[in-house]
Amino acid sequence: DQQVKQNSPSLSVQEGRISILNCDYTNSMFDYFLWYKKYPAEGPTFLISISSIKDKNEDGRFTVFLNKSAKHLSLHIVPSQPGDSAVYFCAASSFNAGNNRKLIWGLGTSLAVNP
Amino acid sequence: KAGVTQTPRYLIKTRGQQVTLSCSPISGHRSVSWYQQTPGQGLQFLFEYFSETQRNKGNFPGRFSGRQFSNSRSEMNVSTLELGDSALYLCASSSQAGGTNNEQFFGPGTRLTVL
Repeated sequence: DQQVKQNSPSLSVQEGRISILNCDYTNSMFDYFLWYKKYPAEGPTFLISISSIKDKNEDGRFTVFLNKSAKHLSLHIVPSQPGDSAVYFCAASSFNAGNNRKLIWGLGTSLAVNP
Repeated sequence: KAGVTQTPRYLIKTRGQQVTLSCSPISGHRSVSWYQQTPGQGLQFLFEYFSETQRNKGNFPGRFSGRQFSNSRSEMNVSTLELGDSALYLCASSSQAGGTNNEQFFGPGTRLTVL
C-alpha cells in the first residue's frame, strides 16, 4: 500500500514555464514533508521541506504547497530551467509505533525541461 | 566536509552469493539509513541505524541485514542473492535519528547486479 503517491511518472515542461509536481498521501499522521531531486548516477539531494503547521514554503524558484484537508502537496518550480531536469521524490515523515521517526517515499516524477 | 561515501560503486555477483556494502556518513552524523532503488519501486527503505542501534526497519526479508560501528560507518549485507536484488543501494546520513525534520544526505549509491 503506497502511503505516498506521485501519480505522474513523468512531466515535460518548456524552459521558462512553471513546473508543478504533485504528491498525495494517505496517512494523516504525517507531519513533515520533503522534496528531493535526483540526477542519474547520483544520490538524491534535499530540495525543500514543509511542516504540517504551514501551507506554503518558498525557497528561490521552488515553492511547496500543502493542503492538509486534501492530503496533497505540490512543488512549483518557476521559472523552469533545463538543469531542473531530474527525478523528483516526495517524502513524508511521521512517528512509528516505536516512537521513532520514519520517512516514506513516493516513486518519483521524472521532470524534463525542454530548451 | 566530505560527503557520504559508499563502496564499492559497482558490483556484480551471481545468485546464491552474499554481498557486503559499506557506507561512511558525513563526519558528525550518527544516523545512517539504507534504501533500495529499483525502476518500478522507487526508494524502498531497508533500515536505519543510529548510534550503533537499529531504530527503524522496512519490509525486507531477513537476508538483508546491517550494522553500524562506533565510528558511525555502516555496512549492509545481503545473503543468498536473488536476481531481484539487482538494484541501486543508497545510503543516507543525517545528524538526527529518523531523518526527522532535517534532511538526509545521500551517497552516490552502489549499483548491484545479480546474474
